[in-house]
Amino acid sequence: GAGVSQSPRYKVAKRGQDVALRCDPISGHVSLFWYQQALGQGPEFLTYFQNEAQLDKSGLPSDRFFAERPEGSVSTLKIQRTQQEDSAVYLCASSLGTENSPLHFGNGTRLTVT
Amino acid sequence: DQQVKQNSPSLSVQEGRISILNCDYTNSMFDYFLWYKKYPAEGPTFLISISSIKDKNEDGRFTVFLNKSAKHLSLHIVPSQPGDSAVYFCAARYSGGGADGLTFGKGTHLIIQP
Repeated sequence: GAGVSQSPRYKVAKRGQDVALRCDPISGHVSLFWYQQALGQGPEFLTYFQNEAQLDKSGLPSDRFFAERPEGSVSTLKIQRTQQEDSAVYLCASSLGTENSPLHFGNGTRLTVT
Repeated sequence: DQQVKQNSPSLSVQEGRISILNCDYTNSMFDYFLWYKKYPAEGPTFLISISSIKDKNEDGRFTVFLNKSAKHLSLHIVPSQPGDSAVYFCAARYSGGGADGLTFGKGTHLIIQP
């Protein structure tokens, strides 16, 4: 079946621009996660949804970052007034939400802020 | 402070031999551990996991060992194949975290030499 799909694959933004990154999870997956991966680092947790409810947003680095999943399926990560330090790969993952169900990742969106 | 540590940024192993990737963690609350494999320009792919109630889990060529007292786990790949060349991430979670979110290490780049 189809995996987690993210778009766009690559995004170049000028400093100060707003960007929106899209994630289509695996159909039927209740849980959805956003991670940020800087060069040479492991993925770092940003936020977590269970269906449409955002249960944890403790990893969002600033109030310029906003995520939503209004119908419990597709999710959008929005970054306002982008800064150079926002340059990273943004990974979306989904899971069934049952105990110890593994996360399935998309291929990510590489954001470069110039 | 890194709660999951992979102290070897890279590892080179000859084809056919055993690859051993190591991971240490500091949070004693972690109770579930996973290994992910990542190829360039792709998202991490789930490989194998282990619950804290076990000390070993095997799946084909892959075996994960957990030493809770040492807060250490390792991934063994035998025999190593060229397609195993990738970055391997160790990840951990704890049930009381309120989410299925994972804490990742920085990864180890495994290179299988012919």
